[in-house]
Amino acid sequence: AIWMTQSPSLLSASTGDRVTISCRMSQGISSYLAWYQQKPGKAPELLIYAASTLQSGVPSRFSGSGSGTDFTLTISCLQSEDFATYYCQQYYSFPRTFGQGTKVEIK
Amino acid sequence: EVQLVESGGGLVKPGGSLRLSCAASGFTFSSYSMNWVRQAPGKGLEWVSSISSSSSYIYYADSVKGRFTISRDNAKNSLYLQMNSLRAEDTAVYYCARDGEYSGYDDYWGQGTLVTVSS
Repeated sequence: AIWMTQSPSLLSASTGDRVTISCRMSQGISSYLAWYQQKPGKAPELLIYAASTLQSGVPSRFSGSGSGTDFTLTISCLQSEDFATYYCQQYYSFPRTFGQGTKVEIK
Repeated sequence: EVQLVESGGGLVKPGGSLRLSCAASGFTFSSYSMNWVRQAPGKGLEWVSSISSSSSYIYYADSVKGRFTISRDNAKNSLYLQMNSLRAEDTAVYYCARDGEYSGYDDYWGQGTLVTVSS
């Protein structure tokens, strides 16, 4: 199985901040990486797939980068509705695996 | 509009069985692979199982292999998860999710159904 290390697990930030979340793989996965946002009591929502492709309807302040083993999710200007938990997921091979999650909280 | 609606969750004793269903609408169900993903209370997401559009390919997480069975009925636009020999650690919200157009990621999710395994 491919192991993922997502960091940080908790991120305190203010509205307007630029934030980055990292996801590192135990082996190369090309660009087979997705990012999801989850708010309390709700199902996850897809933000980015193929490492850097923005899902339709997702604001352009979200961006993804990386390939191989190191990936990053960036929120360029944090909005109030962005306070949530974010997960990366590899779909290069089965079993598909998720990162441990990063909770973005209000500073 | 794509909709996925799970049902069948509830309270079950350890060793018991439960069958989850996911009713799909708003897209051509038979053209997409489908997945089950779960989330234990206060924990992260865990992929459980995947099934290809024609049921030719099926995959399971090691944690459920031999106990859970994924299936689908394309005529009924429905996805299922038969869960046997349930354990306390299977307690979670179970989400049904559609594989994205380019396969592998989950582009639409249901609202989830809670399964609680407790005596």
